[in-house]
Amino acid sequence: DAKTTQPTSMDCAEGRAANLPCNHSTISGNEYVYWYRQIHSQGPQYIIHGLKNNETNEMASLIITEDRKSSTLILPHATLRDTAVYYCIVRVRGSQGNLIFGKGTKLSVKP
Amino acid sequence: GAVVSQHPSWVICKSGTSVKIECRSLDFQATTMFWYRQFPKQSLMLMATSNEGSKATYEQGVEKDKFLINHASLTLSTLTVTSAHPEDSSFYICSASSRGSGSLNEQFFGPGTRLTVL
Repeated sequence: DAKTTQPTSMDCAEGRAANLPCNHSTISGNEYVYWYRQIHSQGPQYIIHGLKNNETNEMASLIITEDRKSSTLILPHATLRDTAVYYCIVRVRGSQGNLIFGKGTKLSVKP
Repeated sequence: GAVVSQHPSWVICKSGTSVKIECRSLDFQATTMFWYRQFPKQSLMLMATSNEGSKATYEQGVEKDKFLINHASLTLSTLTVTSAHPEDSSFYICSASSRGSGSLNEQFFGPGTRLTVL
């Protein structure tokens, strides 16, 4: 699986959009970008995934650059409950292997 | 979405005792379960992979005789920490995936078990 790079931490004001970047310059053609988050003392929670088109669901939007070397997770209206560590993971969809977690981005949503 | 449960959610035990942690897939059959460990302020680290009906595959540095994994059914895997010591205190998380045309081996995580060894 390709390696990803994320900022260590970010702050966001409550009610504003949170934009979390991820670099994955070595991504290969059959690898998807997945985003998970982990709220303190809980298991990771799946957020969204995509291959090359932008994706949106009830939790977030995922914007993938045309060259697929980076992506941005967008939480449109961040709340205090969105405070968590966000992990960007690149892997082949359907792979039977484990997920490899990096250090992620600690997002702090402030009132 | 698929639900994975863990029991207990937290446990405190004395040094030298054994502790069993259960991981269950509640609404799907999990052909593969993964066990992760997470120390404070660190990321999740894979300990072992278990496939239903076969022996678990352990990551380098993880003692298979200390961390016993059983995956006897498609909905249950257990992790037993034998002769636990304070350095085993950690947050243990399982994830489960199923093989099937509709699932594409997506992984679903349990809520985690906080183990504290005194």
